Amino acid sequence: GQQVMQIPQYQHVQEGEDFTTYCNSSTTLSNIQWYKQRPGGHPVFLIQLVKSGEVKKQKRLTFQFGEAKKNSSLHITATQTTDVGTYFCAGLEGNTPLVFGKGTRLSVIA
Amino acid sequence: NAGVTQTPKFRVLKTGQSMTLLCAQDMNHEYMYWYRQDPGMGLRLIHYSVGEGTTAKGEVPDGYNVSRLKKQNFLLGLESAAPSQTSVYFCASSLTAGTSGYNEQFFGPGTRLTVL
Repeated sequence: GQQVMQIPQYQHVQEGEDFTTYCNSSTTLSNIQWYKQRPGGHPVFLIQLVKSGEVKKQKRLTFQFGEAKKNSSLHITATQTTDVGTYFCAGLEGNTPLVFGKGTRLSVIA
Repeated sequence: NAGVTQTPKFRVLKTGQSMTLLCAQDMNHEYMYWYRQDPGMGLRLIHYSVGEGTTAKGEVPDGYNVSRLKKQNFLLGLESAAPSQTSVYFCASSLTAGTSGYNEQFFGPGTRLTVL
């Protein structure tokens, strides 16, 4: 079945440093979604990428979808303490349910 | 709008006991989902529903049953709880699914379940 792998599992950064998490699928995806979960909270939808090679930005966050639609990345520029949390990618293949990666937990040291 | 709500927030069970987790959404969403979240395992889909009266198995359905008698409610049942079912359970809903638009999932606050 479809698998979505996410690396790294953990990332500790100094405030102001950049952060990137990578997502790889074993199959070609229809689209990919990204969610953020604050400590003790629930996942919250950030964005969806649909097109091959698509790049979307939300303030300091940049999301990319690979040309082959099998990988994606989330890059945060100049991290802040408010960026702390776990970031999940979730892949969609056709009409099957979303498959979530295991997430990358980001810690930001002030 | 309350969005997605879950009842209860916390629960402790003894092995073999049964319980039902309730999820309610007020967004008129067709699709509803139950996930469990364990440390280092991400979110794993237990069961989901594509509309009132329908249910389908997800990745880890064993030991759980679900019902969707009303569009706004999705119930998750544990008939005979086991320590392996200790987890945080999240319910989610979405207006659509698949590759159509408006398929983002809205999550409830979660239920922390401990089985002793």
